Amino acid sequence: GAVVSQHPSWVICKSGTSVKIECRSLDFQATTMFWYRQFPKQSLMLMATSNEGSKATYEQGVEKDKFLINHASLTLSTLTVTSAHPEDSSFYICSARDGLGGTQYFGPGTRLTVL
Amino acid sequence: KQEVTQIPAALSVPEGENLVLNCSFTDSAIYNLQWFRQDPGKGLTSLLLIQSSQREQTSGRLNASLDKSSGRSTLYIAASQPGDSATYLCAVRGGQNFVFGPGTRLSVLP
Repeated sequence: GAVVSQHPSWVICKSGTSVKIECRSLDFQATTMFWYRQFPKQSLMLMATSNEGSKATYEQGVEKDKFLINHASLTLSTLTVTSAHPEDSSFYICSARDGLGGTQYFGPGTRLTVL
Repeated sequence: KQEVTQIPAALSVPEGENLVLNCSFTDSAIYNLQWFRQDPGKGLTSLLLIQSSQREQTSGRLNASLDKSSGRSTLYIAASQPGDSATYLCAVRGGQNFVFGPGTRLSVLP
């Protein structure tokens, strides 16, 4: 079946640094990708929706200058957390929608810890 | 704005019991509803996907039903096993993306 990968699976960084997380659809083309954030013992909250080749659409309350999303190809989207702070520590999950069938597949997540 | 709730928030049962997890949503104009399983610190595993035109889906010991008009879905787990212990998330797709419920934390005791 379709697979979505994320890299890295976990990352620890110092406060003030930037971190890039990659999301790839491995055997299908994803015209739309989604980024979710999940705090401990909470559910997934949508951060932004990105369509290939265009700017991402951010949910209310999500700072677009802090969470930079690039969807440069039909198989890759990246989320960059700029000037990360401890409150950005979370589990980030991406999802990719198959451009043909419309099914949405989820990645395994990336655990970010900011010290 | 779509809101999804799940009851109960947590459930602990002895092995072998049949159990029901509940999901409610406020806007019945949905494309589909999906049940996921999430193990601690892990990503999502899709369990069942019900299209808006369907009433239920079955996979092994799992059965999910959908009543769109009343905004409800249930996930029925038969003969529960310790390996079923996880958080179960209900997610509703009404437009571009999914709206997730808060989850039900299930513990099945051996």
